[in-house]
Amino acid sequence: KNQVEQSPQSLIILEGKNCTLQCNYTVSPFSNLRWYKQDTGRGPVSLTIMTFSENTKSNGRYTATLDADTKQSSLHITASQLSDSASYICVVSLSGNTPLVFGKGTRLSVIA
Amino acid sequence: DARVTQTPRDKVTEMGQEVTMRCQPILGHNTVFWYRQTMMQGLELLAYFRNRAPLDDSGMPKDRFSAEMPDATLATLKIQPSEPRDSAVYFCASGLALGTGGETQYFGPGTRLLVL
Repeated sequence: KNQVEQSPQSLIILEGKNCTLQCNYTVSPFSNLRWYKQDTGRGPVSLTIMTFSENTKSNGRYTATLDADTKQSSLHITASQLSDSASYICVVSLSGNTPLVFGKGTRLSVIA
Repeated sequence: DARVTQTPRDKVTEMGQEVTMRCQPILGHNTVFWYRQTMMQGLELLAYFRNRAPLDDSGMPKDRFSAEMPDATLATLKIQPSEPRDSAVYFCASGLALGTGGETQYFGPGTRLLVL
């Protein structure tokens, strides 16, 4: 069964600290993996998209990694800011079509 | 600043009533998606269109939900009759697919639906 599991479910960190969110998937055949940031009450915003051949992709203080062999991805946030408080959702696309498998998200709270 | 717009932003209705949600995708985008988000299930893909043609609606309850694109600037999602379990936030997203997929999707602000 195609699944995407994210961990932790929630995380609280101090402003300025780094953190890493995890995404494990069992989707096959794999096309690409996306990370989204969703602020409360807003629609998700795309952070990164990685295909099978990409190991890492950065977007400002956000760096996503992908290990297609172990079917794991991580999202690393550097020097966290209060505005990073949001849900981060991992989404995996199946090959050949857009149909998507979603993780339940990690709720990140950055506190002063 | 191009963005996806959705109307209405909030909708409260009674069970059995028809609900129509509208979406205006970003001009020039050729792919439109409808999603539903609840606390329990998270985000779910309901249906999507490419060049106005429906490509996949397997995530949608067929007996009561219907999605259409009357033209390139309008996508609609209709629920008839609505049920309390349809209460959720419904997102529309659009993107420009140039090849085999992997397009960046731009989400609208969502329609928050409450069915009493």
